[in-house]
Amino acid sequence: ILNVEQSPQSLHVQEGDSTNFTCSFPSSNFYALHWYRWETAKSPEALFVMTLNGDEKKKGRISATLNTKEGYSYLYIKGSQPEDSATYLCAHGSHTGNQFYFGTGTSLTVIP
Amino acid sequence: SQTIHQWPATLVQPVGSPLSLECTVEGTSNPNLYWYRQAAGRGLQLLFYSVGIGQISSEVPQNLSASRPQDRQFILSSKKLLLSDSGFYLCACSPGQPEAFFGQGTRLTVV
Repeated sequence: ILNVEQSPQSLHVQEGDSTNFTCSFPSSNFYALHWYRWETAKSPEALFVMTLNGDEKKKGRISATLNTKEGYSYLYIKGSQPEDSATYLCAHGSHTGNQFYFGTGTSLTVIP
Repeated sequence: SQTIHQWPATLVQPVGSPLSLECTVEGTSNPNLYWYRQAAGRGLQLLFYSVGIGQISSEVPQNLSASRPQDRQFILSSKKLLLSDSGFYLCACSPGQPEAFFGQGTRLTVV
């Protein structure tokens, strides 16, 4: 089982603030790193899939970076809005590509 | 594109009763299939994954079992539920590319 860790566990920010979360994973046998946005009782929504060291992806106000050598990824949200409130999950795919291991998530609450 | 059907959406079962959750996939062939669980206050935990019919790998010892009788059908079962089996169960599908798609989930409450 691959150990994927996310920090912080929860975060409260004011509307308009920018924020970022961290996902740490084993740097050996890297395959792919995924970020998902998950609202309670719904399916996780895929945000990014990153496979190369140095990858940077952007989707609107949300962006992510990847460092496979040191085993971390950052997710950034610029100008947080109340609708950004959700749990953000990262997942590390095994070197065989068969398993996805999730971190425990970062719960974001954006206060209007 | 892939569509994942998972049912039921919610389930309340007594301790000691059996369980069967079903997940079917449309729009892809020979996908990798996964069962995840989120227990109260915890993140997503991988329970089982399958790379083909009849091929099941378990990640953690537990009271549950999984089966894949058809290419696009994945079933999560238990003979006797425990209180600790309560949680939110998600089925996921990976079509062979580095990405995964999820069903709507099942909220299981064991009473």
